[in-house]
Amino acid sequence: KAGVTQTPRYLIKTRGQQVTLSCSPISGHRSVSWYQQTPGQGLQFLFEYFSETQRNKGNFPGRFSGRQFSNSRSEMNVSTLELGDSALYLCASSLFSSGNTGELFFGEGSRLTVL
Amino acid sequence: EDQVTQSPEALRLQEGESSSLNCSYTVSGLRGLFWYRQDPGKGPEFLFTLYSAGEEKEKERLKATLTKKESFLHITAPKPEDSATYLCAVTFSGGYNKLIFGAGTRLAVHP
Repeated sequence: KAGVTQTPRYLIKTRGQQVTLSCSPISGHRSVSWYQQTPGQGLQFLFEYFSETQRNKGNFPGRFSGRQFSNSRSEMNVSTLELGDSALYLCASSLFSSGNTGELFFGEGSRLTVL
Repeated sequence: EDQVTQSPEALRLQEGESSSLNCSYTVSGLRGLFWYRQDPGKGPEFLFTLYSAGEEKEKERLKATLTKKESFLHITAPKPEDSATYLCAVTFSGGYNKLIFGAGTRLAVHP
């Protein structure tokens, strides 16, 4: 079955712009989580959506936002981009949102470069 | 503060040379500890879930164990294709699918 699909894979933006990243989870998965990965901070949790509701949010400023649609596809948005937002943004999907399984299926990520 | 610490940061092994990676954690209400493998340019790939102290899981040359304070990922007779970054993560009560990741161990296995 098809895996988690993230688009775009690569993008370059300038400071002050905004960006929207998209994630299509594995068919049937209702939970979508977003993570930021940087060399200095590693993988950091952004937020999780389950059945269109935000279940949890990480320690990121309000410039980072997300949403989930009725078909479980999710988008995240970063407004007023800063240089420090350059990172690999990873989306992960899961059947459940219990935190029990840990079996998150990750996409290959969207690599954002902010100039 | 909830945190996950992995050691060593990097490990170089000869093919067939067994070793262990360490993951220590401090978290309130641990729900589970997870190991992932990440190849360059790819997203993490799930390996194991451990729920309680004393539990062990195996997959090919990998074996994960869990105590009350730490987990080990044992690699027996590694091959070059085992080269990757190995990530440890935990979830906690009320965290839903929020995983707290360690910084990872970069493993290089040379023929």
